[in-house]
Amino acid sequence: GNSVTQMEGPVTLSEEAFLTINCTYTATGYPSLFWYVQYPGEGLQLLLKATKADDKGSNKGFEATYRKETTSFHLEKGSVQVSDSAVYFCALRGSNTGKLIFGQGTTLQVKP
Amino acid sequence: GAVVSQHPSWVICKSGTSVKIECRSLDFQATTMFWYRQFPKQSLMLMATSNEGSKATYEQGVEKDKFLINHASLTLSTLTVTSAHPEDSSFYICSATNREWNEQFFGPGTRLTVL
Repeated sequence: GNSVTQMEGPVTLSEEAFLTINCTYTATGYPSLFWYVQYPGEGLQLLLKATKADDKGSNKGFEATYRKETTSFHLEKGSVQVSDSAVYFCALRGSNTGKLIFGQGTTLQVKP
Repeated sequence: GAVVSQHPSWVICKSGTSVKIECRSLDFQATTMFWYRQFPKQSLMLMATSNEGSKATYEQGVEKDKFLINHASLTLSTLTVTSAHPEDSSFYICSATNREWNEQFFGPGTRLTVL
C-alpha cells in the first residue's frame, strides 16, 4: 500500500540556517505530494504541493521537488526564522483516491 | 483558502459517556469530509470518509459503532464518540473538500480527554 516516511525529529536550527526535511514515499501510479504545517495549537495548513514528476512546489520560502526516480519530496528552506517553528507533515494522495496518507511529522524548532 | 471550523476545541468527559464533535465548512459546500485521529507526537490516521447524504466509509480497524459519523448537510459533519473510554483520548481533526477541488482544508482539531 501507499506510505510516507519522514526523517525523525526534532530538528533544531539556529535562525537563518538552511533547512532540509527528508520525505520519501511508496505508491503505485502517480500520486500527488504535499507538505502541511501545523503551528502550535492550530490545525494543519497546506504549505505546498506538487502533482506530477519534476514539479516544484514553493511557498513562503519553502520548496520541494517531486522526484519520481528517487520517490522523494524533500522540503527545503534557505534561511529559517523563529516563526517557522512547527510540525511539518509530508503527505501523498494516490492517483485513484482522495485519501491523504501522512508521514509521522517532523518537529522543527528554530532558536534565535 | 476555505475555512473549516470544529466545535468544541476541547472537551473533557467521564468514561462511559458520549461526546459529539462538529465539523463545519464555513464558506463552501463540502461534498466530502474526512475524520482523522492524531496521537501525541504522531501522524494523522484517517478514521473515515463521509460523503454528504450517504453512509461514512470507515478505515480498517475503526469501530463503526463506536465512532458514529453523520454528514447530513453540505456544511456539517459530526463525529460522536460513544461510550468513551480513556483510550479514546486523542486529538480529532476533520477536513473538508468538494468535487471541484484537489485539496483538503483542515479544521483546527478537537482535544478529547476521557477521565
